[in-house]
Amino acid sequence: GQQVMQIPQYQHVQEGEDFTTYCNSSTTLSNIQWYKQRPGGHPVFLIQLVKSGEVKKQKRLTFQFGEAKKNSSLHITATQTTDVGTYFCAGGTSYGKLTFGQGTILTVHP
Amino acid sequence: EAGVTQFPSHSVIEKGQTVTLRCDPISGHDNLYWYRRVMGKEIKFLLHFVKESKQDESGMPNNRFLAERTGGTYSTLKVQPAELEDSGVYFCASSQGQGEFYEQYFGPGTRLTVT
Repeated sequence: GQQVMQIPQYQHVQEGEDFTTYCNSSTTLSNIQWYKQRPGGHPVFLIQLVKSGEVKKQKRLTFQFGEAKKNSSLHITATQTTDVGTYFCAGGTSYGKLTFGQGTILTVHP
Repeated sequence: EAGVTQFPSHSVIEKGQTVTLRCDPISGHDNLYWYRRVMGKEIKFLLHFVKESKQDESGMPNNRFLAERTGGTYSTLKVQPAELEDSGVYFCASSQGQGEFYEQYFGPGTRLTVT
């Protein structure tokens, strides 16, 4: 079945540093979605990428979808303490089922 | 607009007991999903309802798990009998439609501990 690998598992940064998390799928994805889970919270949808090579930006967050639609990345520029949490990528299908990566736990030191 | 709600928020039961988790999706959302996160591992898909019908139950671990969505509104997930490895956080999500253009909204989850 489809597997989505996400690295790194943990990332500790100083406030103001950049952060990147990467996802790789064993199969070509229909789409990829990114979620953020704050400590003690639940996954909250950030964005969805559908097209090969797509790049989307949300303020300090940049999301990329690979040309082969098998990998994706999330980059945060100049992290802030409000960015702490676990970031998940999830490969989506045309009918809705999501296959999640393991998540990257981001800690930001002030 | 009210979000996805789940009950209970926490449940501690002994091995062999039965537990029923409930999910109320966002009103008007026909699609309802159950996911589970076992400690330290990824969030895994369990099943997907479209209204009252099971669209995909390929992620259900075994026949100790039974999901229902009578009337196409709220859903329940029953674990009977519970085993230690069933411990984890069970998330419910709903979406207005299915597929790649519909965002899934997650509930707060039910933390299940089996002792």
